[in-house]
Amino acid sequence: SQQGEEDPQALSIQEGENATMNCSYKTSINNLQWYRQNSGRGLVHLILIRSNEREKHSGRLRVTLDTSKKSSSLLITASRAADTASYFCATGIQGAQKLVFGQGTRLTINP
Amino acid sequence: EAGVAQSPRYKIIEKRQSVAFWCNPISGHATLYWYQQILGQGPKLLIQFQNNGVVDDSQLPKDRFSAERLKGVDSTLKIQPAKLEDSAVYLCASSFSGSNGEQYFGPGTRLTVT
Repeated sequence: SQQGEEDPQALSIQEGENATMNCSYKTSINNLQWYRQNSGRGLVHLILIRSNEREKHSGRLRVTLDTSKKSSSLLITASRAADTASYFCATGIQGAQKLVFGQGTRLTINP
Repeated sequence: EAGVAQSPRYKIIEKRQSVAFWCNPISGHATLYWYQQILGQGPKLLIQFQNNGVVDDSQLPKDRFSAERLKGVDSTLKIQPAKLEDSAVYLCASSFSGSNGEQYFGPGTRLTVT
């Protein structure tokens, strides 16, 4: 069963704008990760935030984690056409040695 | 460093036939995962190996799916007999350890069952 639920399911913005995707989950976690998947390809790891962290940055990516609300957000600033992809959150479940992926957000950057 | 290798990249079979997928993880990665990704959905874990032992196969349809990881390196995933609903991308991933850490994915095998 999918633990993470991404919102929105699809997002279309203009190049240069910021894109925000949200992820909600249900159980206690060790960490939360975001992955990107280009069409027809495997997933690429973007960023990992631990359960005791609230915010993390990597280049144009900013991730926040609110464990009290069991939610996370991924912000991509100054979007580029190459950011067009599907983005998945994955939760590292506490007490389990695996990740559970959400359904993903399909992001389209229009030139 | 070489990434996770998978073959074949594409496979088309008829229902009730059998098919096998191969995965070679990143060198030194003890944990190997097989995921099924149906179009428009996120990856679903089928089986997880730690070295050559199974850690989790709770979502593997064991009446038709099997997987092995001999010698703790390469792995094969087999479907026999295939059903129409098995049409999906099968992703292999590996990680240095199995403790919820970052996973490295291969390009996947796109299976179409007709």
